[in-house]
Amino acid sequence: ETGVTQSPTHLIKTRGQQVTLRCSSQSGHNTVSWYQQALGQGPQFIFQYYREEENGRGNFPPRFSGLQFPNYSSELNVNALELDDSALYLCASSTPRGGGITDTQYFGPGTRLTVL
Amino acid sequence: AQTVTQSQPEMSVQEAETVTLSCTYDTSESDYYLFWYKQPPSRQMILVIRQEAYKQQNATENRFSVNFQKAAKSFSLKISDSQLGDAAMYFCAYRSGPFSGGKLTFGQGTILTVHP
Repeated sequence: ETGVTQSPTHLIKTRGQQVTLRCSSQSGHNTVSWYQQALGQGPQFIFQYYREEENGRGNFPPRFSGLQFPNYSSELNVNALELDDSALYLCASSTPRGGGITDTQYFGPGTRLTVL
Repeated sequence: AQTVTQSQPEMSVQEAETVTLSCTYDTSESDYYLFWYKQPPSRQMILVIRQEAYKQQNATENRFSVNFQKAAKSFSLKISDSQLGDAAMYFCAYRSGPFSGGKLTFGQGTILTVHP
């Protein structure tokens, strides 16, 4: 069974640029959630994708957007990067049971984004 | 909105001893899930233990157990026979019940140091 993978591992961008982060879900999982983790803080929920549709969003501006593909992999796009976007970006995959999104989320290793 | 509070920024324990990490949460919901995740310096968030709110029995996973007090909205993690590999940041997390979207709300984390 393949776990959750993310790419790239590290990324350095300058303010105003755009970035795309990628996530491959664990085998058999059809739901991907994205989180932003600032240094020394707990992760904050950005949004979730279930079967290629956005299924919930946290308190993040529209310049944070995402996609989910038919193979359930996902992308997180951030436009007009700001210094405060520097963080660890985590994705987690899961799969619903019993008709609802109930199952445990398993995390990837994260992408460290630095904005200069 | 739900909130999760971890009041211990740092804890330490001697190898082979027992340590308890505290977590409290605030919610008006009756059906929800609680989790403890471990994040070592490698950054990958690893699931330690999960508790369903409707279950009165406290969850146990080998050396890890929880004390779930629903009325008090308390969810502490006990680590028995601590090992050097247990050193990490520990996060308590809350998720609403089925059909809610699956967003995880995390606490601020507790850094656990294990002394040989």
